[in-house]
Amino acid sequence: DADVTQTPRNRITKTGKRIMLECSQTKGHDRMYWYRQDPGLGLRLIYYSFDVKDINKGEISDGYSVSRQAQAKFSLSLESAIPNQTALYFCATSDGIGTEAFFGQGTRLTVV
Amino acid sequence: GESVGLHLPTLSVQEGDNSIINCAYSNSASDYFIWYKQESGKGPQFIIDIRSNMDKRQGQRVTVLLNKTVKHLSLQIAATQPGDSAVYFCAGRDDKIIFGKGTRLHILP
Repeated sequence: DADVTQTPRNRITKTGKRIMLECSQTKGHDRMYWYRQDPGLGLRLIYYSFDVKDINKGEISDGYSVSRQAQAKFSLSLESAIPNQTALYFCATSDGIGTEAFFGQGTRLTVV
Repeated sequence: GESVGLHLPTLSVQEGDNSIINCAYSNSASDYFIWYKQESGKGPQFIIDIRSNMDKRQGQRVTVLLNKTVKHLSLQIAATQPGDSAVYFCAGRDDKIIFGKGTRLHILP
């Protein structure tokens, strides 16, 4: 079983719809991250959380919101999806400063 | 703001040769750097890391070099194999992880 699980793996949604991407982890890490990947642009940080009561904006948080429901769960929401939010989304976890991050398999989101 | 960037978007290397992938960063506060490999359809996977108090670290077939004076790091892959074909990202972190844009490594037969 994967340590970091993202659901759904693929999703097509219409413009204006609300959509939630979910991430759960079994590594027991406190820190969780959401990234967006677009061709030629690498991974850009959307939001990150250092514990259940901590939420921080990343480089490109506009149009997104997150919820840290538990240590193991970190959800990303698009309140009103738009086509330029079509991308590959990754969740990651780590256990502190100076340590690597572990990534999920990604969610491919298409907004039509 | 901080940024991490790679010099070349694509690198083609003959199988068996050594590969060198370069990366520059702007944030002097980054005290830890990581190289990730991303294969098609997968999430990034950790390759090797280096802390800012080091200038070189070796793993299995991979070496990372850090030059803090010019804010540059590189990933060297020895005897490149077809399985090394992927996109490689450098990342710097202080409290959060910031990624560069990636270099796609092509292996030529």
